[in-house]
Amino acid sequence: EPEVTQTPSHQVTQMGQEVILRCVPISNHLYFYWYRQILGQKVEFLVSFYNNEISEKSEIFDDQFSVERPDGSNFTLKIRSTKLEDSAMYFCASGLGGNQPQHFGDGTRLSIL
Amino acid sequence: RKEVEQDPGPFNVPEGATVAFNCTYSNSASQSFFWYRQDCRKEPKLLMSVYSSGNEDGRFTAQLNRASQYISLLIRDSKLSDSATYLCVVNGQAGTALIFGKGTTLSVSS
Repeated sequence: EPEVTQTPSHQVTQMGQEVILRCVPISNHLYFYWYRQILGQKVEFLVSFYNNEISEKSEIFDDQFSVERPDGSNFTLKIRSTKLEDSAMYFCASGLGGNQPQHFGDGTRLSIL
Repeated sequence: RKEVEQDPGPFNVPEGATVAFNCTYSNSASQSFFWYRQDCRKEPKLLMSVYSSGNEDGRFTAQLNRASQYISLLIRDSKLSDSATYLCVVNGQAGTALIFGKGTTLSVSS
């Protein structure tokens, strides 16, 4: 069964550094998403991406965040200057849009020191 | 008012028990409804979509009441492997984002 893959599985970074999280969505999916989950809290939406542009973003997704689809397979989330409160699990998801469900990768655990 | 509300539990049940989870959502314009399960520190995995007519998948039955903005999940004949957190999920106002509840924790014991 096709799946969403994410790398790395764990990223440790010093506060203030830039970090790039990578995702390979399911190949025939058209919509791509990033979510995060702070330890012990609910999963929160960050951004959705369709047709090479952001289609929706949350209040969390401020100017420190950016997304890119640099080629036909990868989808990346960049955090420009990390803060301690960016420590969380970051999940990439993809889907066909409409009322179809989204399928999640196994996440990148980001730890900011 | 929180967008998606669930009883956090935990629900502690013996194997073979029937257990029901409830969820309410605030956005009457939501069109997509799902139950996901999440194991500790893992990704959310789709359990089932929820339709107005109700739907069943083996031991799992989901119901949607749009008038009351209420979603339910029934698990029959609980297995040890059902132990997880069950997430009620609806799509947001703009349509693309998924809005998650905090989840209901189920622990099935032998």
